[in-house]
Amino acid sequence: QVQLVQSGAEVKKPGASVKVSCKASGYTFTDYYMHWVRQAPGQGLEWMGIINPSAGSTNYAQKFQGRVTMTRDTSTSTVYMELSSLRSEDTAVYYCANSGGLGKEAVAFWGQGTLVTVSS
Amino acid sequence: QSALTQPPSASGSPGQSVTISCTGTSSDVGGYNYVSWYQQHPGKAPKFMIYEVSKRPSGVPDRFSGSKSGNTASLTVSGLQAEDEADYFCSSYADSNNLLFGGGTKLTVL
Repeated sequence: QVQLVQSGAEVKKPGASVKVSCKASGYTFTDYYMHWVRQAPGQGLEWMGIINPSAGSTNYAQKFQGRVTMTRDTSTSTVYMELSSLRSEDTAVYYCANSGGLGKEAVAFWGQGTLVTVSS
Repeated sequence: QSALTQPPSASGSPGQSVTISCTGTSSDVGGYNYVSWYQQHPGKAPKFMIYEVSKRPSGVPDRFSGSKSGNTASLTVSGLQAEDEADYFCSSYADSNNLLFGGGTKLTVL
């Protein structure tokens, strides 16, 4: 079955960077797009961007342009999301989620989430 | 681009039906048939419930249905059950290859 397993919780200081991983299994890694979505405590969902694991091409939400980098390693079926210049407002649970064989607008199968806390 | 607009709360009694709205613009909800809905229980990852406005992924009960009219999409939950109590979020494909989410609606089963 499709599984997305994310790396563990992180605590970072303001101004630092964080890199979250998401290892996929149960399907052909390059067949499904991968999204990154975050959720601040008690808040709604916020789309950060998408990566095509086959081509490595990316599309980022305007809000995160210049601060986010999404990459992939096809040899380990893993995607990464790095967010730089962290501030307290970046404290959130970060999710990877794939398109499940549907169009790239579908956010079908979700990882368990990674809590990133930004605090001095 | 702004988030899609959802009512903060909705409620219904067991067995009743409840409808949650998701309002956008012609650049997102109104311009594309790519509206999805997600269910999220406390402390859990969201679950994919509806895609392309009205299609259900395998395993989602047919009590859940979606529709769209103009710039507003809707999720209807029929035959409410206690386990339907959760937060519900909509999303829509938007211009320039963007994806927008709604602010979420807390559904309470009375």
